[in-house]
Amino acid sequence: AQKITQTQPGMFVQEKEAVTLDCTYDTSDPSYGLFWYKQPSSGEMIFLIYQGSYDQQNATEGRYSLNFQKARKSANLVISASQLGDSAMYFCAIGGGSGTASKLTFGTGTRLQVTL
Amino acid sequence: DTGVSQDPRHKITKRGQNVTFRCDPISEHNRLYWYRQTLGQGPEFLTYFQNEAQLEKSRLLSDRFSAERPKGSFSTLEIQRTEQGDSAMYLCASSIQGGNEKLFFGSGTQLSVL
Repeated sequence: AQKITQTQPGMFVQEKEAVTLDCTYDTSDPSYGLFWYKQPSSGEMIFLIYQGSYDQQNATEGRYSLNFQKARKSANLVISASQLGDSAMYFCAIGGGSGTASKLTFGTGTRLQVTL
Repeated sequence: DTGVSQDPRHKITKRGQNVTFRCDPISEHNRLYWYRQTLGQGPEFLTYFQNEAQLEKSRLLSDRFSAERPKGSFSTLEIQRTEQGDSAMYLCASSIQGGNEKLFFGSGTQLSVL
């Protein structure tokens, strides 16, 4: 079974600052993918970034980067230059590796509040 | 690309009634997923389809739940004899086979069972 742990129920960050959202995972699969999704108050889950277990480099997508430490089983999301529109719930998830059906297992999420 | 569409956005029903939700995935996506999300939790996997075939069902999906994807395009999720514990957000997602299985989610259907 796969498991995601997000230990920060809530985080505050000032506008234009960087913030790190923590995620640790557990899996016995040798090949897996790690995902981050953003869920604003509207309810839609918005894909942010993906990291494959065999990827050598940390994934980056614009202001989002994933700090992947395989030995520690962590996949922290770093948001640079925070904006007010970044205020939302953020979910880390784990699924099958490339080419397999992604039955994602999600964590309980971190609520991020960006302040002026 | 119009995104994943779900209907209705909100549904209020009385305990014991049947409800049906619809999901229209992104047109070229052959995989479709249903998830359930309760307050304060992340989404939980319910079931998924590849084309019209239902390939996996979670044990969370009791006999009162049934999902279909008759022509490999839109999908319906029906809950029979609803219970108060069924109150949740029901999320649909779709993806294209292969690659990194990035899921695209709809805005969900919020079900309230009174």
